Amino acid sequence: DGGITQSPKYLFRKEGQNVTLSCEQNLNHDAMYWYRQDPGQGLRLIYYSQIVNDFQKGDIAEGYSVSREKKESFPLTVTSAQKNPTAFYLCASSWGLDSNQPQHFGDGTRLSIL
Amino acid sequence: DAKTTQPNSMESNEEEPVHLPCNHSTISGTDYIHWYRQLPSQGPEYVIHGLTSNVNNRMASLAIAEDRKSSTLILHRATLRDAAVYYCILKTSYDKVIFGPGTSLSVIP
Repeated sequence: DGGITQSPKYLFRKEGQNVTLSCEQNLNHDAMYWYRQDPGQGLRLIYYSQIVNDFQKGDIAEGYSVSREKKESFPLTVTSAQKNPTAFYLCASSWGLDSNQPQHFGDGTRLSIL
Repeated sequence: DAKTTQPNSMESNEEEPVHLPCNHSTISGTDYIHWYRQLPSQGPEYVIHGLTSNVNNRMASLAIAEDRKSSTLILHRATLRDAAVYYCILKTSYDKVIFGPGTSLSVIP
């Protein structure tokens, strides 16, 4: 079945360490997104990509980086510059950025600080 | 800031219909109204979306006010599996989506 796979499900980061969260989709979608969710809150957009080798900052991009070398993959790196990285991270994809295109989400990665 | 407002929480009895309201008074002519729901520790799941006309699918119905400043997600018979946080969002072409805190729906057996 087509879908979005995020890994790992749980991740622990030490102080000063960079960590990379994986997101893979086999839906042949062009657009991909990364969101952060804090407890009891809605989702906040970190980065999005409309097409391979192109990506745009969202509302809270500081301390994060992404790459889009392949259509099906959009990894997110949480750098040591992100001082409060503990959160639930969600990856999504859609056919495009058109307003009538729904987003499909993965099951998330929960990141915690050791 | 989110462009929609929803009640923080709602309750429903099992097997009864549920009407989840959403206000979006600043909606523009090309904004689509999307609904998602999220179970604990899972990613959001797409439910339904529409522009002007009411929409139905196997999960729910979407009723859109004539002036498009509000909409209602209708679950025809609530089950325990429908207990989730429901997000109403406006989607503008080539612009980012803003998810607010949503409505937490509890279903009482």
